[in-house]
Amino acid sequence: ETGVTQSPTHLIKTRGQQVTLRCSSQSGHNTVSWYQQALGQGPQFIFQYYREEENGRGNFPPRFSGLQFPNYSSELNVNALELDDSALYLCASSLDKTGGGAEAFFGQGTRLTVV
Amino acid sequence: EDQVTQSPEALRLQEGESSSLNCSYTVSGLRGLFWYRQDPGKGPEFLFTLYSAGEEKEKERLKATLTKKESFLHITAPKPEDSATYLCAVQGYSGGGADGLTFGKGTHLIIQP
Repeated sequence: ETGVTQSPTHLIKTRGQQVTLRCSSQSGHNTVSWYQQALGQGPQFIFQYYREEENGRGNFPPRFSGLQFPNYSSELNVNALELDDSALYLCASSLDKTGGGAEAFFGQGTRLTVV
Repeated sequence: EDQVTQSPEALRLQEGESSSLNCSYTVSGLRGLFWYRQDPGKGPEFLFTLYSAGEEKEKERLKATLTKKESFLHITAPKPEDSATYLCAVQGYSGGGADGLTFGKGTHLIIQP
């Protein structure tokens, strides 16, 4: 048990809609990262938040955005959903600003299906 | 750009048959190399962090080693419950901002009774 929880566990959306995924980080962890994992692939880094500010981003368009709150919770928002956005979305929390080699602990993920 | 290549893609072993999984990587400067285990439909479960060449870490039947270009995950006398996908990831240094983990595609390991 990592102490990182995500909701919902499954979600079906229509192309063009917007979605918000939620994550509750492990208590005391100041950094949260989000990853997208397509079927049969490794997770891909979307972005990272440290103390409520985005401080790192992977190769994802601006329609992927996020928020981090003081109570260790965070959100991933995706606008204008596309079929290729169908994936497992993973939230990970750690105790470090840039990672610094610190271990990231993952939640169980949200399975998003876009139809 | 950081890159991670894992091999083999899939591996089927008999219970008790030891083997090794490979993770080759290129990174601008290594902050850490991570091994995770992932069961179907679940999030990755943290196993090990390695920071420098020559380092080794063990946990039950698993042992991870690191060189300047690759890491191995050795599995000794595996049991069926060791069946999972094993993911390798690196985190490197960048000029600024935070670096996420760069993952390989994983090795799908099946241990047959």
